[in-house]
Amino acid sequence: DAGITQSPRYKITETGRQVTLMCHQTWSHSYMFWYRQDLGHGLRLIYYSAAADITDKGEVPDGYVVSRSKTENFPLTLESATRSQTSVYFCASRVAGGWNNEQFFGPGTRLTVL
Amino acid sequence: GDSVTQMEGPVTLSEEAFLTINCTYTATGYPSLFWYVQYPGEGLQLLLKATKADDKGSNKGFEATYRKETTSFHLEKGSVQVSDSAVYFCALPAPGNAGNMLTFGGGTRLMVKP
Repeated sequence: DAGITQSPRYKITETGRQVTLMCHQTWSHSYMFWYRQDLGHGLRLIYYSAAADITDKGEVPDGYVVSRSKTENFPLTLESATRSQTSVYFCASRVAGGWNNEQFFGPGTRLTVL
Repeated sequence: GDSVTQMEGPVTLSEEAFLTINCTYTATGYPSLFWYVQYPGEGLQLLLKATKADDKGSNKGFEATYRKETTSFHLEKGSVQVSDSAVYFCALPAPGNAGNMLTFGGGTRLMVKP
């Protein structure tokens, strides 16, 4: 399917476990982003990537790891999940450059850490 | 730094009521401005945008005018429907990164009752 997809859509895990959230886009967009959405905090950027093999930290990167070996995929890993990482996670992508270009968002992954 | 401030919600309206969601920004220069909408259980999607001062963005009956004098980009709709119930985010490009990054407001939840 064309567009941006995330998997799984829902995930329940336990404290201390490793969890990987997947993001895949079919547009070959250069930029990809991971956000978390929490009540009272709006959207906060975790990590972003400008191209394959280029990643950088956002506002709240601690406890997360990303990689981007292929342009279309941008997985987010919680190496040792904590309850504070319970959140809804959104992946987004956009073409490079252009102050007017929009970001396209995936449907989100709701993660619960027990 | 550049920032966006939105009115806190939730905003509860009856169907066919007039809607205003306030958004003010602080920025260097005159950036593009965006409104994104998030319907229940979905990711964000672009609702409308304005690229320069005095521009009016419009889509699906929603409008917002870029007012540099008041540094505002308020979202309006003349007659809301139940299907407009969603969370609305005002956003602008973050400084640097050639417009690839966005700074989001905290979001305003709109609930429309029949």
